[in-house]
Amino acid sequence: GENVEQHPSTLSVQEGDSAVIKCTYSDSASNYFPWYKQELGKRPQLIIDIRSNVGEKKDQRIAVTLNKTAKHFSLHITETQPEDSAVYFCAAENFGNEKLTFGTGTRLTIIP
Amino acid sequence: GAVVSQHPSWVICKSGTSVKIECRSLDFQATTMFWYRQFPKQSLMLMATSNEGSKATYEQGVEKDKFLINHASLTLSTLTVTSAHPEDSSFYICSARMSRAEAFFGQGTRLTVV
Repeated sequence: GENVEQHPSTLSVQEGDSAVIKCTYSDSASNYFPWYKQELGKRPQLIIDIRSNVGEKKDQRIAVTLNKTAKHFSLHITETQPEDSAVYFCAAENFGNEKLTFGTGTRLTIIP
Repeated sequence: GAVVSQHPSWVICKSGTSVKIECRSLDFQATTMFWYRQFPKQSLMLMATSNEGSKATYEQGVEKDKFLINHASLTLSTLTVTSAHPEDSSFYICSARMSRAEAFFGQGTRLTVV
């Protein structure tokens, strides 16, 4: 089955700087890669996703890049703000399986 | 986005009793629902996948007879923790989605078995 590794497990960034979280996956058939943000005590919420026919996707301060050859994808947050503090999970899925496999999560702390 | 409602948000039960957790998609019909278990400061561990009208598919290591999943309709799935023990105490969270679409999560249920 799919195995998703996520790094780093914790990340502290000065407000205004950029944050990068990286994930690797094992199943070359995976074709959907969402990123979820989970604030303390709340449910995970999708912040951005990318499909395997695209190399990069951007939504305001958030961007995701995908390297299918190397089987890794990354989340980039620019101009970080205190409200970006949360746990971020990457995930990978082969649409044929309808099963998301999550990474281990990254606790991002934005230092004011 | 779509709304997935999970109930109850927290429950305390005695060892040996059973607890039922409901997951409802309020404004869409979910072809698939998923049940996860999340330990403190850890990731979401998939327990089982359920499709309406069919038996759930359990992940390796998850006891089918202990964690009963029923997916009665396109908007409702239930997880019943049978004969609960303290080691079953955890945060259980469901998600629902239409095929090949975004997965929406419920707010989670914190189960404490005493």
